[in-house]
Amino acid sequence: AQSVTQLGSHVSVSEGALVLLRCNYSSSVPPYLFWYVQYPNQGLQLLLKYTTGATLVKGINGFEAEFKKSETSFHLTKPSAHMSDAAEYFCAVSRANFGNEKLTFGTGTRLTIIP
Amino acid sequence: DGGITQSPKYLFRKEGQNVTLSCEQNLNHDAMYWYRQDPGQGLRLIYYSQIVNDFQKGDIAEGYSVSREKKESFPLTVTSAQKNPTAFYLCASSISTEKLFFGSGTQLSVL
Repeated sequence: AQSVTQLGSHVSVSEGALVLLRCNYSSSVPPYLFWYVQYPNQGLQLLLKYTTGATLVKGINGFEAEFKKSETSFHLTKPSAHMSDAAEYFCAVSRANFGNEKLTFGTGTRLTIIP
Repeated sequence: DGGITQSPKYLFRKEGQNVTLSCEQNLNHDAMYWYRQDPGQGLRLIYYSQIVNDFQKGDIAEGYSVSREKKESFPLTVTSAQKNPTAFYLCASSISTEKLFFGSGTQLSVL
């Protein structure tokens, strides 16, 4: 079975400060890892994903994440927070090379940006 | 424009009533999913379908039913057996789990 743990259900950062949202995963097989963002009363949008290859992946809106197998982590970062980054962020995992398999989501981290 | 359409946006259920949430996609995706979202619990998978006329239970299928008679459509029925149906319901579709496309959700509340 796979799972993800997101540390911190709420994170607040000042505008212009570093954003760091933490995600640790558990998987018995090589994982695919994802970050999704949800704005209020909307569905989720894919921010970025790790499948194979480079462990540092870049996504939309200036976000990036690094897959660290030794630490079983996939933390999301952005160098400088924008007011528009305020949203809920979800880390998710699936099994690599299993085609259309289901995703398992974390419980989410709500990011607040302080002006 | 291609995408996923969920309707209605808001839905109210009376005691003992079954209600059906609609999900339609024109992305030509084989796989479709229903997730339930509760505050602080993230998204939990209810049912998923990888192909027409076939579907599998997710982690919290009790009190729900689905059908997949057409590739474009994956309706979810919340039955009277679901004792705590108040939640935000999200439908998604994909070609592979490398990217899911989500609808804008349906908020279900109990009267």
